[in-house]
Amino acid sequence: TQLLEQSPQFLSIQEGENLTVYCNSSSVFSSLQWYRQEPGEGPVLLVTVVTGGEVKKLKRLTFQFGDARKDSSLHITAAQPGDTGLYLCAGHPSNTGKLIFGQGTTLQVKP
Amino acid sequence: GAGVSQTPSNKVTEKGKYVELRCDPISGHTALYWYRQSLGQGPEFLIYFQGTGAADDSGLPNDRFFAVRPEGSVSTLKIQRTERGDSAVYLCASSLRSSYNSPLHFGNGTRLTVT
Repeated sequence: TQLLEQSPQFLSIQEGENLTVYCNSSSVFSSLQWYRQEPGEGPVLLVTVVTGGEVKKLKRLTFQFGDARKDSSLHITAAQPGDTGLYLCAGHPSNTGKLIFGQGTTLQVKP
Repeated sequence: GAGVSQTPSNKVTEKGKYVELRCDPISGHTALYWYRQSLGQGPEFLIYFQGTGAADDSGLPNDRFFAVRPEGSVSTLKIQRTERGDSAVYLCASSLRSSYNSPLHFGNGTRLTVT
């Protein structure tokens, strides 16, 4: 079974701090996606990383795909209260159409 | 444009009853996914369709759960003899096609409560 393990599961920080969320697997993924979900809504795609070693930036968010395509990280610089939410990594195992998710990281940014 | 629509947004039912949850995907999206999510957790894969056929139903927990997509558009998730453990938010998503570079677009979910 191909699983995605996210850490930490919960993070509470002050506005202005930096943080990193990790997504790890023992299996190779053709790509990994990161989503953000707010209460009462469905997840919304932030980014897809495809190439091993790839780094993508989205304003204060930096996403990296591991060289071996088994792991990914999300780094947020100078977190703001608006970044609060559930962050999810997801991937298609073995090039199938099925998309599986990690357990999620709940981020709380206090003003 | 219109996004993925799920109805009802909330459903309360008694243990043992039958429920149907509906999903209207984005027009033209050929792939449709169903997930179940508990509070603070990641979505748990149930089933996905490519067109009218179920391409992978390996996530359905048991034979009380069934989903259909007869015309390749709207899908219905059906749960028979509901149990309290079925209480969760059921999410539907659609994508242009079921490939790694085709992102999923989610609805806001149906919150199912079994009393």
